[in-house]
Amino acid sequence: EVQLLESGGGLVQPGGSLRLSCAASGFTFSSYAMSWVRQAPGTGLEWVSAIGSYGVNTYYTDSVKGRFTLSRDNSKNTLFLQMNSLRAEDTAIYYCAKMEGVTDYWGQGTLVTVSS
Amino acid sequence: QPVVTQSSSASASLGSSVKVTCTLSSGHSSNIIAWHQQQPGKAPRYLMKVEGSGSYNKGSGVPDRFSGSSSGADRYLTISNLQSEDEADYYCETWDRNTRVFGGGTRLTVL
Repeated sequence: EVQLLESGGGLVQPGGSLRLSCAASGFTFSSYAMSWVRQAPGTGLEWVSAIGSYGVNTYYTDSVKGRFTLSRDNSKNTLFLQMNSLRAEDTAIYYCAKMEGVTDYWGQGTLVTVSS
Repeated sequence: QPVVTQSSSASASLGSSVKVTCTLSSGHSSNIIAWHQQQPGKAPRYLMKVEGSGSYNKGSGVPDRFSGSSSGADRYLTISNLQSEDEADYYCETWDRNTRVFGGGTRLTVL
């Protein structure tokens, strides 16, 4: 059974940093691209970032470029999202997702709140 | 990058059928899309992918009541024999090169 377990969310002040993790199990992690998708309160889904299976190629939505860094450790089946210079508009539930062309599995999400 | 458009809401009676539409922007009418369901307070769940040919491939455990189809730039999710647990937000997803895009979601109300 595919499982994606996010952690690392919390309350942070504007301008601060957080590192999200996603522990994957139930599939060959190193064979699949992965992504993060977020959902601000009361709104729809927004794609944030994706990474290829080897970790070489990374992609970001424009609003987070230069502030967020996506990486992975295939030896530990773990995905990371380093978020710096956080803004109020980054407040959202962040979902880790497995990709096989489409997004085919989702984690339960971790809440990030950016507020003073 | 592609744009996907969905109606903001839909409603249908318990036991009836409903068709939810996702429209792809010009130049992307052949894109594959995915449908995701998000029940209130829960994480999204992958339902299926739908190709421009109309063929669809469902995720694990998705009931037979759910099906997909396509016509031109439109991709459809049809739910038959509506149940109360089908009341949810439904999102379509597509991608182009290095960007992924979600539609704004369709909130389905089961009457």
